[in-house]
This record gives sequence, C-alpha cells and structure tokens, in this order.
Amino acid sequence: GENVEQHPSTLSVQEGDSAVIKCTYSDSASNYFPWYKQELGKGPQLIIDIRSNVGEKKDQRIAVTLNKTAKHFSLHITETQPEDSAVYFCAASKNTGGFKTIFGAGTRLFVKA
Amino acid sequence: GAGVSQSPSNKVTEKGKDVELRCDPISGHTALYWYRQSLGQGLEFLIYFQGNSAPDKSGLPSDRFSAERTGGSVSTLTIQRTQQEDSAVYLCASSSQGANTEAFFGQGTRLTVV
Repeated sequence: GENVEQHPSTLSVQEGDSAVIKCTYSDSASNYFPWYKQELGKGPQLIIDIRSNVGEKKDQRIAVTLNKTAKHFSLHITETQPEDSAVYFCAASKNTGGFKTIFGAGTRLFVKA
Repeated sequence: GAGVSQSPSNKVTEKGKDVELRCDPISGHTALYWYRQSLGQGLEFLIYFQGNSAPDKSGLPSDRFSAERTGGSVSTLTIQRTQQEDSAVYLCASSSQGANTEAFFGQGTRLTVV
C-alpha cells in the first residue's frame, strides 16, 4: 500500500541555523504534498504545500522541494527561531483511488536559543 | 463554526467502558479523517470518510473501534470495552473536495483509560 517515510525523527539545531526534513513516498500517482506543524496540545496545521507540477515553493523562511523522479520531497527552514520548535509532518495524496492522505511519522524539531 | 470541533476535549474512563468521541467538521467538507496519536508519536490513521462512498476502515485497530458519519457531516468514533492501550489523543480532520486539499484538524480528544 501507499507509504510515506520521514527522516529524521528528531532534529536539534541552534537558533539561526537551517533545518531540513526529508520524506519519501511510494505511490508514483501522488500529486499533492503538504507539510503540517503541530505545536504542543494542538492539532497539526498546514504550513506549506506543493503540487507535482512544480519543483520548489518558498514562503518566507520555509521552502519545500519535490523530486518526482526520486519520489522524495523536503522541508527547509532557514534562520530557525525557538518558536519553530514543534513536530512537523509530511504527507502525500492523490486525486484518484479514494483521495486518502498518507502522513509521515513526524519529526520533532528543537531549536536551541 | 469556523473550524473543526471535537468533543469532549478530555475524557477519562474506566477500563471496560464504552466511549463516544464526536467530530464536527467544517461545513461543506466532504472528506473526514480520524487519527490516533499516542504520546510523542505520529499520526496513526484510523478511518476515512469521503462523500457518499464506503468509508476506508483499514486503519481501525480492532473490532472494538467503529465510526459513523451521519448525513455527511458530524462523525462519531466509538470505542467499546476500552483498554488502557486505547489511551491517546484522537484527532479528527476534514478537507474539501477529497484529499488533494488542505486538511483542517481539530484540537483532539485526549482519552485516558484508567
């Protein structure tokens, strides 16, 4: 079945440094790749997404890249701040076969001040 | 409402009791998901409703778990004869036009089985 793998499970960076989280997906028909941020005690919230017709998307300090051939996509956070500390989930979905979104296992990001 | 609403926010129950968790999705959203999240863990898929299609129940961990979505809106997740390992946060999410759009999550229901 469809699968999304996410690495690393935990990431610790110094404030101001960059953080990179990587995901791979198994279903080549996937065409929508959102990233969610979950803060303590809250539900996950969308921070950025990318569709399969583009290779990169940027929104201020966050960017996502997509390599369809290799079936992997990455989240890049630059100039990290303590408030970036959270759990980040990648996901993949397609608009056929029931539309189900598959989530990665999550990355716990710690930004040290 | 403006977002996905879940109730109760917290539930403590005795082992062996049945519980019902409720999810009010965003109005008009055709897709609804239930996930389970144990402490410090990822999102474990439970069940997925999409419009009038038969739900995808492939994630339900046992026959003690069931879910309904009445009238294409409110959903109820029922856990029968609760066990301590059922203790977790249960998250509901909804999205419009299937899964190729943003999923909006509720705050979750924290279930504790004692």
